[in-house]
Amino acid sequence: GQQVMQIPQYQHVQEGEDFTTYCNSSTTLSNIQWYKQRPGGHPVFLIQLVKSGEVKKQKRLTFQFGEAKKNSSLHITATQTTDVGTYFCAGVRGNNRLAFGKGNQVVVIP
Amino acid sequence: SQTIHQWPATLVQPVGSPLSLECTVEGTSNPNLYWYRQAAGRGLQLLFYSVGIGQISSEVPQNLSASRPQDRQFILSSKKLLLSDSGFYLCAWSGGGSDTEAFFGQGTRLTVV
Repeated sequence: GQQVMQIPQYQHVQEGEDFTTYCNSSTTLSNIQWYKQRPGGHPVFLIQLVKSGEVKKQKRLTFQFGEAKKNSSLHITATQTTDVGTYFCAGVRGNNRLAFGKGNQVVVIP
Repeated sequence: SQTIHQWPATLVQPVGSPLSLECTVEGTSNPNLYWYRQAAGRGLQLLFYSVGIGQISSEVPQNLSASRPQDRQFILSSKKLLLSDSGFYLCAWSGGGSDTEAFFGQGTRLTVV
């Protein structure tokens, strides 16, 4: 079945620096979603990308969907302590089922 | 607006005891409903998925079962808990069509002792 792989699984980022997290699929995705889970919390939807090569921005966050619709990335600039958490990507399978990656756990170093 | 309720927030149960976690959704009809499990520091494992009343798809073989007795009610159950059932259980819903973003409940942290 479709698998969504995320790399890296863990990141330690210095406050103020930029970082990127990646999501790769073994099959072409109809769309891809990104979620953020704060420590002790539940995942919260961030964004959905649908079109090949699509780029969307939310303040310091830039989301990109690959041309082949098999990979995606999330780039965060000027990291803040509030960026701590686990970032998940999710691909849509048949019957609109969401297949989540294992997540990228981000620790921000003040 | 739509809301999702999941309870209890935390639960400590002995091995071999039964389990019942409930999830209800308000403000929408015919939602897709999900049960996920998250082990400590791990990703989200899809356990069950439902597109309608009485329609349950199981993603992985396990010690758990799910039921959807009403359109906006999703229940996760076990007859006899195992130590390996410990984890963070999350209920979620999504709409149909192209709006597939999932909205998660607050989660239940289950510890089997």
